[in-house]
Amino acid sequence: AQKVTQAQTEISVVEKEDVTLDCVYETRDTTYYLFWYKQPPSGELVFLIRRNSFDEQNEISGRYSWNFQKSTSSFNFTITASQVVDSAVYFCALSELGQGGSEKLVFGKGTKLTVNP
Amino acid sequence: DVKVTQSSRYLVKRTGEKVFLECVQDMDHENMFWYRQDPGLGLRLIYFSYDVKMKEKGDIPEGYSVSREKKERFSLILESASTNQTSMYLCASSLGTGGSYEQYFGPGTRLTVT
Repeated sequence: AQKVTQAQTEISVVEKEDVTLDCVYETRDTTYYLFWYKQPPSGELVFLIRRNSFDEQNEISGRYSWNFQKSTSSFNFTITASQVVDSAVYFCALSELGQGGSEKLVFGKGTKLTVNP
Repeated sequence: DVKVTQSSRYLVKRTGEKVFLECVQDMDHENMFWYRQDPGLGLRLIYFSYDVKMKEKGDIPEGYSVSREKKERFSLILESASTNQTSMYLCASSLGTGGSYEQYFGPGTRLTVT
């Protein structure tokens, strides 16, 4: 079965520090997708990124970057020059095929990031 | 923009009551999902639906049922609410099958069963 491990339960940093959130996954599928979501204090999960298993290029979007390494089954997320608005719970997720070709997601338990001013 | 709405942000019910949580999406998405979120446990899938009247059990379906009579609406039913069903309930939808599409989430319903 698919599994996603986010070993860091909580991280606290000071504003402007860089921070990396770890995500390790387990799957037997050769084709799969990985996701990151952000859940701010308001509660609504916000989609950040999707990456497929054949694309190992790192991705950068502003202060956010993602490092996908199949060899270590990891999909880590780095925030550069963190800001107070980055404070949230971050979830990593892995696709799993269901009936009818539908795909569901298996989520990690989340990492709570607190950025202090 | 995709919009997923849930009928209530906060709900308080008594043990033994039948509870309906409603979710509506406005983007013609094929798939809809119900999760519960508890501290330290992350998001756990209760049920999902990949088509009207089609449903599949998730990881923790016990004590819950679902209904999807129309494509845009997915209901979660607690037949006889119990205190261990006190939780945050999140609804989500995604575009279709065959690829892997991101899920869009509603704002959540915080249910308290007393």
